[in-house]
Amino acid sequence: EDKVVQSPLSLVVHEGDTVTLNCSYEVTNFRSLLWYKQEKKAPTFLFMLTSSGIEKKSGRLSSILDKKELFSILNITATQTGDSAIYLCAVTATSGTYKYIFGTGTRLKVLA
Amino acid sequence: GAGVSQSPSNKVTEKGKDVELRCDPISGHTALYWYRQRLGQGLEFLIYFQGNSAPDKSGLPSDRFSAERTGESVSTLTIQRTQQEDSAVYLCASSLRQGGYNSPLHFGNGTRLTVT
Repeated sequence: EDKVVQSPLSLVVHEGDTVTLNCSYEVTNFRSLLWYKQEKKAPTFLFMLTSSGIEKKSGRLSSILDKKELFSILNITATQTGDSAIYLCAVTATSGTYKYIFGTGTRLKVLA
Repeated sequence: GAGVSQSPSNKVTEKGKDVELRCDPISGHTALYWYRQRLGQGLEFLIYFQGNSAPDKSGLPSDRFSAERTGESVSTLTIQRTQQEDSAVYLCASSLRQGGYNSPLHFGNGTRLTVT
């Protein structure tokens, strides 16, 4: 059965700290891995990764994929209170359908 | 509109009643997904539509759940004889299918369903 596991489940840090969120997966016919940020309602897209070892970066956020070890990390440097959210990892596969399989998310709280 | 639009944003219903949730995807997006998110949990896949192909209904939890989509536009998710365990946020998302890849999902703000 395809699955996506995120860790930690929750995390509390102080402003200025650096955090690393983990996402591991077991998926047949892997295509891509995506990170989303969910604050109140709609998850918003952060990154899509398809190739191993190539870092994607956007401001203080960065992510990288390891297709051999089947995991990805999302790094946030110099955290701010506005980074408080649930971070969701999703994997797409082509096992007969283009399903996005989501992990349960990591709940990040950044204290002032 | 520019984004995925869902209505209503909130729905409170009595146990046993039917509800209909609506999703208007981004124009031109051929793929449309429904997910359910229970409080404190991740996104649970319900159903996927791609163009005129037969939908993937493998995530629907029971025969009380059904969904329709008109061409590549509006979709409705219907829950019949609602139960308290149906209480959740129902999220709709759309994406553009190009070649062998789907573009990232774009989500609506969801419908928060409360069954009393």
